[in-house]
Amino acid sequence: DTGVSQDPRHKITKRGQNVTFRCDPISEHNRLYWYRQTLGQGPEFLTYFQNEAQLEKSRLLSDRFSAERPKGSFSTLEIQRTEQGDSAMYLCASSLTGVGLVGLYEQYFGPGTRLTVT
Amino acid sequence: QKEVEQNSGPLSVPEGAIASLNCTYSDRGSQSFFWYRQYSGKSPELIMSIYSNGDKEDGRFTAQLNKASQYVSLLIRDSQPSDSATYLCAVNPSGGYNKLIFGAGTRLAVHP
Repeated sequence: DTGVSQDPRHKITKRGQNVTFRCDPISEHNRLYWYRQTLGQGPEFLTYFQNEAQLEKSRLLSDRFSAERPKGSFSTLEIQRTEQGDSAMYLCASSLTGVGLVGLYEQYFGPGTRLTVT
Repeated sequence: QKEVEQNSGPLSVPEGAIASLNCTYSDRGSQSFFWYRQYSGKSPELIMSIYSNGDKEDGRFTAQLNKASQYVSLLIRDSQPSDSATYLCAVNPSGGYNKLIFGAGTRLAVHP
């Protein structure tokens, strides 16, 4: 059973460039979440999908950020015109929803993508 | 007031002792509570979930939930140096079982 995977693991970019990250959830999971974590803080929710539908976006998600999950499988998170404040670990998690399931709503995280904006 | 509060630590305990980690939350309607362990430079790893008042045990870990006091804790028995990590408390806020709200974490150091 493979876990959540993310690519790339590290990204260094110059301010103003666009970056895109990919997340592959656990295969049977229908929900996919994006979080951002900075040093010394817990992860902060950005957005989540149920299947291909994006159901909630945080106010943290400015118009420079866009996320997609086109076929309800993998997801991409794009940051346009990166700023130094975007430097963080970007975490993807997945979960399985369904009435009566054991471990309902437990979210499992991928290894993260560490973004450094210079 | 932060939505989920944890003491940042570090909490230092000797090997073999019980480590007690605490978390309070502000949303009285919260229904689901989770503890994650995070090693330095790594991503969070789910170690416990708890949904009902009382205790839930899994190996050396016990999660305790008191919804009336809006308090959740994690006990680690027979602490090992490999337990040294940051422990994150996470809560599903009321209104849906969607996002997790995390505390800033408590750093645990288990010394031999």
